[in-house]
Amino acid sequence: GESVGLHLPTLSVQEGDNSIINCAYSNSASDYFIWYKQESGKGPQFIIDIRSNMDKRQGQRVTVLLNKTVKHLSLQIAATQPGDSAVYFCAEGVTGANSKLTFGKGITLSVRP
Amino acid sequence: DTAVSQTPKYLVTQMGNDKSIKCEQNLGHDTMYWYKQDSKKFLKIMFSYNNKELIINETVPNRFSPKSPDKAHLNLHINSLELGDSAVYFCASSQDRNSGNTIYFGEGSWLTVV
Repeated sequence: GESVGLHLPTLSVQEGDNSIINCAYSNSASDYFIWYKQESGKGPQFIIDIRSNMDKRQGQRVTVLLNKTVKHLSLQIAATQPGDSAVYFCAEGVTGANSKLTFGKGITLSVRP
Repeated sequence: DTAVSQTPKYLVTQMGNDKSIKCEQNLGHDTMYWYKQDSKKFLKIMFSYNNKELIINETVPNRFSPKSPDKAHLNLHINSLELGDSAVYFCASSQDRNSGNTIYFGEGSWLTVV
């Protein structure tokens, strides 16, 4: 079946460094992708999304890159802060009625002070 | 104001009991969801309702019965609870039933079956 997965289960970075979280997806029909952040004891929060007609999208300190050729998605966090420590999920979907988001396995980002 | 609120946040109960988790959203969204997150943090959709109509049912056991009295509420009732039902259950909502809309999640309900 189709799946969305992350390459690394955990990522440890130094405060102030840039973080890159990678995600591979396998459904070539997916045209919508979202990154979520889940802090301990809370629900997933929307970070940024991108549609398949784009390669790159920037937000505040975050950038999402989409490579449709190799079905790869990445989240870049600039100047990582302790508050960025959380579990990050990528999710994919196909635009259309009754579509659903499929979530990948979470990756834990740990920021060292 | 909490956009998607669910209660209770924590629930510990014995096997065989019946329990409910309530969810309300004040975003004016048409579509609501229940997701289950297991101990490995894997998030999987269980149900989706659009304007009180069930639109997604992901082969969830019949012991799980969602109820949507109106489009702002989606409650989850679980009969005959089993140990494997222990998980975090997230309610969520989106503007409408089309993918491409951001899904907003509640804070989660931690269910422990003993």
